[in-house]
Amino acid sequence: NAGVTQTPKFRVLKTGQSMTLLCAQDMNHEYMYWYRQDPGMGLRLIHYSVGEGTTAKGEVPDGYNVSRLKKQNFLLGLESAAPSQTSVYFCASTLLPSGRATDTQYFGPGTRLTVL
Amino acid sequence: AQSVTQLGSHVSVSEGALVLLRCNYSSSVPPYLFWYVQYPNQGLQLLLKYTTGATLVKGINGFEAEFKKSETSFHLTKPSAHMSDAAEYFCAVSSQYDLIFGKGTKLSVKP
Repeated sequence: NAGVTQTPKFRVLKTGQSMTLLCAQDMNHEYMYWYRQDPGMGLRLIHYSVGEGTTAKGEVPDGYNVSRLKKQNFLLGLESAAPSQTSVYFCASTLLPSGRATDTQYFGPGTRLTVL
Repeated sequence: AQSVTQLGSHVSVSEGALVLLRCNYSSSVPPYLFWYVQYPNQGLQLLLKYTTGATLVKGINGFEAEFKKSETSFHLTKPSAHMSDAAEYFCAVSSQYDLIFGKGTKLSVKP
């Protein structure tokens, strides 16, 4: 099992450019999440998905869009990148919701994005 | 609503000394609590979790945490620090669909 993988690992964008981050998991997990991590801020939830074809907003969704067309993949899009989106992005997945169940969230290795 | 407060953004201990990382939570329902560790340039991995039952939870790498409802705390401890424990540690509490993370505590271990 590869677990949770993320591509790319690093990316530099110019303001206004667009890009898509890909998250893939091979554990047949139902729930997937996108977080951003900024120094001193911990992890903040951007969007999440409770199953194929569904998405929902998290704490900081503005400027991002997501899609979950296949159960194993969760895409995060930036339509018009801004310097405030410079961050490390983590994807995670869990079999059942962490909230009211006991399942662990499994994290990918992260994507380091710089927007100039 | 659920929230987590980690006391101390940086903690420094000597090798062999006790490690104590503090976490207090707020939850409107009986909480599920987690500690995750992040080594440099890596994703987060689970150290331990509390759901129900025994309030003293043992995790990987010799860490343990005790759930104290009266103090709304879930502090992480390890009796003797190793150099390899240097990392950032995150406490988290469950909400309906996801986890609410604290801001993290960076642990440094001095030789």
